[in-house]
Amino acid sequence: GAVVSQHPSRVICKSGTSVKIECRSLDFQATTMFWYRQFPKKSLMLMATSNEGSKATYEQGVEKDKFLINHASLTLSTLTVTSAHPEDSSFYICSARVEGGVEQYFGPGTRLTVT
Amino acid sequence: QKEVEQNSGPLSVPEGAIASLNCTYSDRGSQSFFWYRQYSGKSPELIMFIYSNGDKEDGRFTAQLNKASQYVSLLIRDSQPSDSATYLCAVKGSWGKLQFGAGTQVVVTP
Repeated sequence: GAVVSQHPSRVICKSGTSVKIECRSLDFQATTMFWYRQFPKKSLMLMATSNEGSKATYEQGVEKDKFLINHASLTLSTLTVTSAHPEDSSFYICSARVEGGVEQYFGPGTRLTVT
Repeated sequence: QKEVEQNSGPLSVPEGAIASLNCTYSDRGSQSFFWYRQYSGKSPELIMFIYSNGDKEDGRFTAQLNKASQYVSLLIRDSQPSDSATYLCAVKGSWGKLQFGAGTQVVVTP
């Protein structure tokens, strides 16, 4: 149980375009999902907390207009990187918290490369 | 001061030996503590979590928590080459957010 999927697993896009990443909890409902990014050999940096049916809560320094998050259902959250630039190239990972639980389960991640 | 600190390693461990990983945290209000394993290029996978002071065992893994010392550790018994990975300590602080350490790289040598 507690499986989280992400799509796509890898994406290459041109500078200035937008990219949407989907995060799904496959066998449980997740009222709360989290989006992280990770640079090589660095730890995970929390970008935002996504709550079903309400606006996401962004961490300090994360541009909400650039990283659009939508949590439309109890099993799906999306992250859209708008007007992507090469510095947005990173490993984006979502996680979901089992309702009533404390542990978080991670999706497999999406490697974004902006050329 | 970082909120969650780990030695970056690499920690070299002979196959069959015990790997000992340490983690300290700064938020005294932290209640939940997690260990994740991350293989290169992959996302973290949960190994185990602990809430109470003392030891918690799960297979070859033992987590140890000492809240007074703000210290949590992970022991890996009978280390295998497949245990070679980066181990992330994560602490759920008093604000409810999971804070990650930078991770300790473990290399198990045959």
